[in-house]
Parts: sequence; structure tokens; C-alpha cells
Amino acid sequence: AQSVTQPDIHITVSEGASLELRCNYSYGATPYLFWYVQSPGQGLQLLLKYFSGDTLVQGIKGFEAEFKRSQSSFNLRKPSVHWSDAAEYFCAVGSLSGGYNKLIFGAGTRLAVHP
Amino acid sequence: DVKVTQSSRYLVKRTGEKVFLECVQDMDHENMFWYRQDPGLGLRLIYFSYDVKMKEKGDIPEGYSVSREKKERFSLILESASTNQTSMYLCASSLSRGSGYTFGSGTRLTVV
Repeated sequence: AQSVTQPDIHITVSEGASLELRCNYSYGATPYLFWYVQSPGQGLQLLLKYFSGDTLVQGIKGFEAEFKRSQSSFNLRKPSVHWSDAAEYFCAVGSLSGGYNKLIFGAGTRLAVHP
Repeated sequence: DVKVTQSSRYLVKRTGEKVFLECVQDMDHENMFWYRQDPGLGLRLIYFSYDVKMKEKGDIPEGYSVSREKKERFSLILESASTNQTSMYLCASSLSRGSGYTFGSGTRLTVV
């Protein structure tokens, strides 16, 4: 079955520290992958996406993610976290072939940033 | 800027009421989706639509129905609201498989 796992429910980092949020997926077809961010009380905003080409993708707000097929992972990184990055982050996977344009989302990782 | 608009940010309804959640997109997208979001469960797909008057069940359709009479509007209907339908409801639309979703700001529904 298709699934997305975000192993960390909560992460706390200090402002200026580096960040890595983990995402593992299980998907039989060629996946395409997304990271979204949700600020409190808001909808989800797309940070970045991958569906082919360079496995290291750059997104908005200084985020990047690396697709590793052998590990079925798509981890999100940022070299220096800002207090405004405190939010909930969702990884999602979809298929480029067959079926409808449906995404499957992970349960999310809530990021807290200490000053 | 492209937009997905959900008509209400907050709603409080009574058990047994029929509830309508409205979503409108201005991007001429074919695909529209309704999710509910609950702590620790992430986003769960209720229904989606890939064309006018077309609908498909998602993972948790029980207790819900949808309507898509026009391309830009996708309505979620709770036929008889129950307390376990208290949740954040998110509408999204997408143009194609690789384009990702554009989300609305969400409707936080409380059923009392």
C-alpha cells in the first residue's frame, strides 16, 4: 500500500541551527514528491517538489530536499533556521503514471524554534 | 496570484444539522479535493473530483458527500453532522499530476 512516514512528530531547534526533517515513502510506481508547510491556522503552502532530474531540489524560503531512491527518502533540509520557520511540515507523494492526481500525505512534523 | 477560497474560516454547527462547506478556485483547475486534518493523523482525503459533475471517494468518505456543478466550485456536504466530524477541512485544487496542490486556508468546523 502507498504510504508516507514522517518519523518525527515534534522537532525543536535553536535559531541559526541546521534542520533536517525526515520523510520516507512507500510507492510502487515512479513517485513524485512534495514538501508543504502549514503555519498555524492556515492552509498548506508548497515548499518544493521533485518528479525527475536532479535529485537535490531547491525550494522557497531557503529549503532544499534530496530524493534518494535507494532509501525511499525525501528529506527536507535548511542550513540555518529562522524563528519564522516554526510551523508544521508535511511530506506528500503522488504518482506520475496511472490513476488520478492524488497525493498521499504524511502525518506531519511540528517544528519549534528556540531563540 | 492563484487562489483557492473557502467560504468560512470557522463554523459551529449542532449535531444532526446539514452542513455545507464551499470551495472556489480561480485557476481553471480540473482537479479539486477535500481533506480533513486532525492532530497526529495528517491529511486524509474525503472526496475528490477530476471534472464537472464527476466525483470519486477518497479514504474516508463516510458521512460526507460532494457536489461539483461548476468547474470552479467544489462543495463538501455533511448530511447529518456528528461530533466526530469536528475537524479542520482543507480544500485544494490542481492542474496536473506534477503541479502539486494549491490549498485554501481551511475551515475549522466544530460540531456541538
